[in-house]
Amino acid sequence: AQSVAQPEDQVNVAEGNPLTVKCTYSVSGNPYLFWYVQYPNRGLQFLLKYITGDNLVKGSYGFEAEFNKSQTSFHLKKPSALVSDSALYFCAVRDPGGNNRLAFGKGNQVVVIP
Amino acid sequence: EAGVAQSPRYKIIEKRQSVAFWCNPISGHATLYWYQQILGQGPKLLIQFQNNGVVDDSQLPKDRFSAERLKGVDSTLKIQPAKLEDSAVYLCASIPRGGEATGELFFGEGSRLTVL
Repeated sequence: AQSVAQPEDQVNVAEGNPLTVKCTYSVSGNPYLFWYVQYPNRGLQFLLKYITGDNLVKGSYGFEAEFNKSQTSFHLKKPSALVSDSALYFCAVRDPGGNNRLAFGKGNQVVVIP
Repeated sequence: EAGVAQSPRYKIIEKRQSVAFWCNPISGHATLYWYQQILGQGPKLLIQFQNNGVVDDSQLPKDRFSAERLKGVDSTLKIQPAKLEDSAVYLCASIPRGGEATGELFFGEGSRLTVL
């Protein structure tokens, strides 16, 4: 079965510094990978996805993610973090068998310190 | 475009009571999902509908959970009787027809259940 791992519970970063949120995946076949963000008391919002093509994908709010097949990773990055980026970030992988079932990681709390 | 609507936003019940959550997906979205998000964990799929048919309910605890989408539009998720471990946020999500290839789900704000 497909799965993703988000090894860190919380990521603290100073405002203006680069932000990285780590994700590794396990899937048979070609992975469909996603990042979602959840602000307090809100539903999840789509940030970006990798299906095929360039390993570096760009998404909403200045976020990007790099797909690395050899390391089975899909880390989320932002060059300069904002206080408003403080939220819960989820990595997800889609079941290559179809049905669009997404398997989510446990999430990473990002805290951007002013 | 209106988003995915869910109600109620918050519900507190005692164990062994029943509860129902309602979801109205974005207009025209054929596929609807219910996810359970326990505190500190990622969302877990409970059930997936395509129009009014069930596509995947393999992770739905059928002894106490039920869901329906009778007219292929809005959906109801019911828990009867509730257990303490059912305390979670129940998220509804939908995806437009033809959007399955993108995998981009549109989520509602969720219904937070506390079972005492």
